[in-house]
Amino acid sequence: DIVMTQSPDSLAVSLGERATINCKSSQSVLYSSNNKNYLAWYQQKPGQPPKLLIYWASTRESGVPDRFSGSGSGTDFTLTISGLQAEDVAVYYCQQYYGSPLTFGPGTKVDIK
Amino acid sequence: QLQLQESGPGLVKPSETLSLTCTISGGSISSSSYYWGWIRQSPGKGLEWLGSISYSESTYYNPSLKSRVTISVDTSKNQFSLRLNSVTAADTAVYYCARVIVTGTARGFPDYWGQGTLVTVSS
Repeated sequence: DIVMTQSPDSLAVSLGERATINCKSSQSVLYSSNNKNYLAWYQQKPGQPPKLLIYWASTRESGVPDRFSGSGSGTDFTLTISGLQAEDVAVYYCQQYYGSPLTFGPGTKVDIK
Repeated sequence: QLQLQESGPGLVKPSETLSLTCTISGGSISSSSYYWGWIRQSPGKGLEWLGSISYSESTYYNPSLKSRVTISVDTSKNQFSLRLNSVTAADTAVYYCARVIVTGTARGFPDYWGQGTLVTVSS
């Protein structure tokens, strides 16, 4: 299985400031034949299911605010929230879909400082 | 707007079988662009993919659970189902059904999720 790790476990950011979450995979999730990274990001608020934010490592899902951006390639990825809003308080997960089984990171909790 | 809704017992006894159904509304289960999957979330194990099925009944299971999991589809009812047998307390979790965008055999990412249903395994 491809193991996903995330850092930090939690972070607190002031409103309007930048939040950066890191995700690392135990093997590359870059598929050489199409040069795509098989990596997605989700946001989960309490009592709700995860919500898809980003796929192909950097493609924003329709309706997701542009303050959310994804970057990285191979084994190292970053989710950036530029200008944190109160409604962004949540747990964020990365997920790889390069290999089966699909696997998720342990999550990073984002709070307001 | 696509919606998925899980249904089934919230309490299952140890060694028995957990059975859940996911009903799809606002869309059809019969599309080759999607798989339909089950994912669970527990405090101890985080998010865990259990398996997926295509409308043509191709199934893909997490090897860690493969011997205990069965996923089936009923296209006439626009539903798919999960059966997990020989449950223990470790199977206590919130179970989600989801639509999975197909990116390769047995691979993809969930884009629509049900609200989830808590299943507790206890006598």
